[in-house]
Amino acid sequence: ETGVTQSPTHLIKTRGQQVTLRCSSQSGHNTVSWYQQALGQGPQFIFQYYREEENGRGNFPPRFSGLQFPNYSSELNVNALELDDSALYLCASSAGTGSPGELFFGEGSRLTVL
Amino acid sequence: GQNIDQPTEMTATEGAIVQINCTYQTSGFNGLFWYQQHAGEAPTFLSYNVLDGLEEKGRFSSFLSRSKGYSYLLLKELQMKDSASYLCAVFPGGSGNTGKLIFGQGTTLQVKP
Repeated sequence: ETGVTQSPTHLIKTRGQQVTLRCSSQSGHNTVSWYQQALGQGPQFIFQYYREEENGRGNFPPRFSGLQFPNYSSELNVNALELDDSALYLCASSAGTGSPGELFFGEGSRLTVL
Repeated sequence: GQNIDQPTEMTATEGAIVQINCTYQTSGFNGLFWYQQHAGEAPTFLSYNVLDGLEEKGRFSSFLSRSKGYSYLLLKELQMKDSASYLCAVFPGGSGNTGKLIFGQGTTLQVKP
């Protein structure tokens, strides 16, 4: 068991709606990264949070935003959903910034946009 | 640009050895990771190479050549449970890239009896 938990595990939304995904990091880990994994593809880095601030961002538009809370848990928010946002969203925690070391992934939230 | 290539699919026989190759071209390099992902599950860490050479961990070994932009994952004594997707990922490092891994598309390995 990795210790990283995500919710919800599955959800269905319609185009134009907004979604919030949640992640609790592994005990002792203060850094959370979010990845998007389309079917049959490798994960793509969305952004990372460290000490409640965004600390590194991939090539995703501003409608993808996030938060990190004092207990190191995190949220990913996606506004104005598009069909291409359908994917598995993975949260990963690690012990610090710099070299990522060993990332511990949650089971993911599978989002379907209709 | 950032590019990581690995074969899409491979098939091997139980008890055999299989080598999964990965080539990369990235703007920076501060280490290469291999992850295993079973269908419907989270990726799990297998290995990390930052210097040239071979890292061995039980039935799994990973090799890196930085000058060639090349790595491979070697799986020995294949078991049916090794059927999974194997993801190659590069940590480019550099300003603004903290914590960012660039993943290949993954290699789906099917182990047959």
